[in-house]
Amino acid sequence: DAGVIQSPRHEVTEMGQEVTLRCKPISGHNSLFWYRQTMMRGLELLIYFNNNVPIDDSGMPEDRFSAKMPNASFSTLKIQPSEPRDSAVYFCASSSGPGEQFFGPGTRLTVL
Amino acid sequence: GENVEQHPSTLSVQEGDSAVIKCTYSDSASNYFPWYKQELGKRPQLIIDIRSNVGEKKDQRIAVTLNKTAKHFSLHITETQPEDSAVYFCAASGPGANSKLTFGKGITLSVRP
Repeated sequence: DAGVIQSPRHEVTEMGQEVTLRCKPISGHNSLFWYRQTMMRGLELLIYFNNNVPIDDSGMPEDRFSAKMPNASFSTLKIQPSEPRDSAVYFCASSSGPGEQFFGPGTRLTVL
Repeated sequence: GENVEQHPSTLSVQEGDSAVIKCTYSDSASNYFPWYKQELGKRPQLIIDIRSNVGEKKDQRIAVTLNKTAKHFSLHITETQPEDSAVYFCAASGPGANSKLTFGKGITLSVRP
C-alpha cells in the first residue's frame, strides 16, 4: 500500500489566491482527518470525516477554509482567499476506525 | 472536550540514559492513548499505544504506562540513541466510532552523543 498520499508537497502562493490541497486516504480506511501544524500552535485538527460525511469541523479557523470528501478515496481542503497566517504544514491522516491514524507526508504551504 | 497537556516542552538526555515523557488528559471517558514520533521534516508516526484496559505496554526499548485514576500516561525510552531525537506527541481519544484524537503540544527530545 502506498500509504496516505497528499499533493502538492509544497505550495507557494500569494496572498488572496485560492489554494487547494488534496488527499488520498489508505484504501479501506473510512475516517479521514485534516490537521494543520505550526510552531506556535502545534498540531491542530481542522476537520474529520467518517464514511465521507463531515463529523466535526469545529477546528476550521474561519469561512475561508472548506473541505470536501466526494468519495472514499479523495478529499480536498481549500483556502480562499489565502493569507500569510495560513502558512503551515497541512497533514491528512486516515484510519480504519478508533485507533491508529496514518499520516500523509504533508503539504508545506507558504503564503506570501 | 478533551484537553491533553505535555510537560516539559523540551528534554535533553545523554545517550544511553533513559527518558520519560509525561502527559495528562482531562476526559475520564478517554480510552485510547497513542504516542507519535515526528522527526524533523517528516510526518508523525505511531510508535506505541495503550488502551484503558491495561496499565503498561512494552515494545523493545519503549514502554507506555497509564494511570487512569490520576489521568496521566507516560512514555519511557530506555538506552536512548541519537536517532531517538525527535518531537514526541501524546494523544487521547474517547470511545465511539466518531471519536477523534486530541494531541498534546509535543516535546522535543534531544539525545546527546
